[in-house]
Amino acid sequence: AQTVTQSQPEMSVQEAETVTLSCTYDTSESDYYLFWYKQPPSRQMILVIRQEAYKQQNATENRFSVNFQKAAKSFSLKISDSQLGDAAMYFCAYRSYNNNDMRFGAGTRLTVKP
Amino acid sequence: EAGVAQSPRYKIIEKRQSVAFWCNPISGHATLYWYQQILGQGPKLLIQFQNNGVVDDSQLPKDRFSAERLKGVDSTLKIQPAKLEDSAVYLCASSSSWGERNTIYFGEGSWLTVV
Repeated sequence: AQTVTQSQPEMSVQEAETVTLSCTYDTSESDYYLFWYKQPPSRQMILVIRQEAYKQQNATENRFSVNFQKAAKSFSLKISDSQLGDAAMYFCAYRSYNNNDMRFGAGTRLTVKP
Repeated sequence: EAGVAQSPRYKIIEKRQSVAFWCNPISGHATLYWYQQILGQGPKLLIQFQNNGVVDDSQLPKDRFSAERLKGVDSTLKIQPAKLEDSAVYLCASSSSWGERNTIYFGEGSWLTVV
């Protein structure tokens, strides 16, 4: 079964600075999808960014970008120009190409300091 | 476009009582999921529907949890009788069978406290 590991339970960053959240996963599949979700205190899971494993180019969404290393099974999230509103739990997730359920990591709590 | 709707948002019950949560997915989304998220953990899939059929319920505690999606649209998750360890946020989510079929969209969740 696929597993997702987030080794940083907590991270903090100064406002306007850059922070990188780590994620590794274990799979024997070659086609899959990876996601980063943000979960504020309201507990709603908000999609931040997604990456298709067959694409070599790293996904980017405004201030959010990923570093996808398929061979290393690593999928880190970089947040540039951090804002107070970025403070939340961040979950890395893996989904098989055949649309089985999404596997989540344990999450990283990001604090943004003014 | 309306998102995934869930109700109630908050529920407090005593152990051994029953509770039901309702979910209405994004219009046109054939796949519906119920996740359980215990405090401090990532969400765990309880059950996945494709239209009105069950795709995966391997992690659903079937002695106390049940779910249905009778007309292939909205869904109900029931817990009876509840235990203290059922205290969690229950997240409903949906995804399309085409287009952005790989992305799951979540509702705001239903918070359950069992006392």
